[in-house]
Amino acid sequence: DAKTTQPNSMESNEEEPVHLPCNHSTISGTDYIHWYRQLPSQGPEYVIHGLTSNVNNRMASLAIAEDRKSSTLILHRATLRDAAVYYCILRSPLGVASYNTDKLIFGTGTRLQVFP
Amino acid sequence: DTGVSQNPRHKITKRGQNVTFRCDPISEHNRLYWYRQTLGQGPEFLTYFQNEAQLEKSRLLSDRFSAERPKGSFSTLEIQRTEQGDSAMYLCASSLGDRDNQPQHFGDGTRLSIL
Repeated sequence: DAKTTQPNSMESNEEEPVHLPCNHSTISGTDYIHWYRQLPSQGPEYVIHGLTSNVNNRMASLAIAEDRKSSTLILHRATLRDAAVYYCILRSPLGVASYNTDKLIFGTGTRLQVFP
Repeated sequence: DTGVSQNPRHKITKRGQNVTFRCDPISEHNRLYWYRQTLGQGPEFLTYFQNEAQLEKSRLLSDRFSAERPKGSFSTLEIQRTEQGDSAMYLCASSLGDRDNQPQHFGDGTRLSIL
């Protein structure tokens, strides 16, 4: 399984942008980059995903490097509610190999602290 | 959308007892997953169902663990003869299976404490 590397922790002030990096140097051509976050005492929550192009949704933006070996999750204006552990995960399409079963493989993620 | 529901939220039991957790996925979601999470770690995959068929089991799922999804709707995870090392948060997730990269929607978990 392809692996990702993230900083253990990051800090931000409220209403400032936050850039959460992820390295995935062994990514394959068919792997999608997914981000989930986990707020305290809750289950993980889907944030965003992409393949090659940058992606935007109501929660965040995902910037993917041209060589796809790294990506950055961007929170445009951090709020206190964004304090969470953020996980960067690679997923292979089910059709690529018979052993793929769509499970998520989590690392230890980045713990984001947001200060008022 | 009522979300994924897990019961109970917290279970405390003595070592050696059997425990059963229930997960109710989002209706119409045909894929259901169980994960386990210990303190300071990310969730670890345990098993996966597509409808009522259990298609994959992790090596973490010892023979003391059994999961079922009898009618392709709710699922149960049973742990027999619990051990101290079973103390963890057990998370359930569900997703639509109509195409790739569908987000997995997680419940808030069942926290198991073994005395």
